[in-house]
Amino acid sequence: GQQVMQIPQYQHVQEGEDFTTYCNSSTTLSNIQWYKQRPGGHPVFLIQLVKSGEVKKQKRLTFQFGEAKKNSSLHITATQTTDVGTYFCAGPVQGAQKLVFGQGTRLTINP
Amino acid sequence: DAGITQSPRHKVTETGTPVTLRCHQTENHRYMYWYRQDPGHGLRLIHYSYGVKDTDKGEVSDGYSVSRSKTEDFLLTLESATSSQTSVYFCAISGQGVDTQYFGPGTRLTVL
Repeated sequence: GQQVMQIPQYQHVQEGEDFTTYCNSSTTLSNIQWYKQRPGGHPVFLIQLVKSGEVKKQKRLTFQFGEAKKNSSLHITATQTTDVGTYFCAGPVQGAQKLVFGQGTRLTINP
Repeated sequence: DAGITQSPRHKVTETGTPVTLRCHQTENHRYMYWYRQDPGHGLRLIHYSYGVKDTDKGEVSDGYSVSRSKTEDFLLTLESATSSQTSVYFCAISGQGVDTQYFGPGTRLTVL
């Protein structure tokens, strides 16, 4: 079936370092969404990318959607302790009204 | 946060007992979803609903059933709970199935 793979599974950084997580789909996606889950919390929507090659920024977070619409990345510049959590990408399943989620990247930060 | 609640928030039960989890929304969204979250597996879809009385299976539906008799409520039932169903269960809602999903606070279920 359709799959979305996310790497790395875990990432530990020093506060102030950059962080990147990558998302790869087995099929072309109509859009890709990113969610953040704080420890003990629930996933919260961050952003949706729709266009091939699209780049969006939210303060220190930069999201990219690949030209082939099969991969995406989330880059955080100069991490802060508030960035701790698990970041998920998700894409629509073809022909169905549901999403398939990546396994997530858990980010921990040493202050 | 979207108006979505889950009950109970925590539950401990024994193997073989039936368990029902409830998801309630006040957003009048058409689509509702049940996921389970386990370490190393991310969010896996159990069942979802695309309208009242309209449901479909997700990737990990074995051992679970659902019902949606009203737009605002989506119930997840474990007919006979097993230890492998120990997990955190999240409900999500969406106005369009392939669009943004809003998650409830989750239910932590422990099956002993």
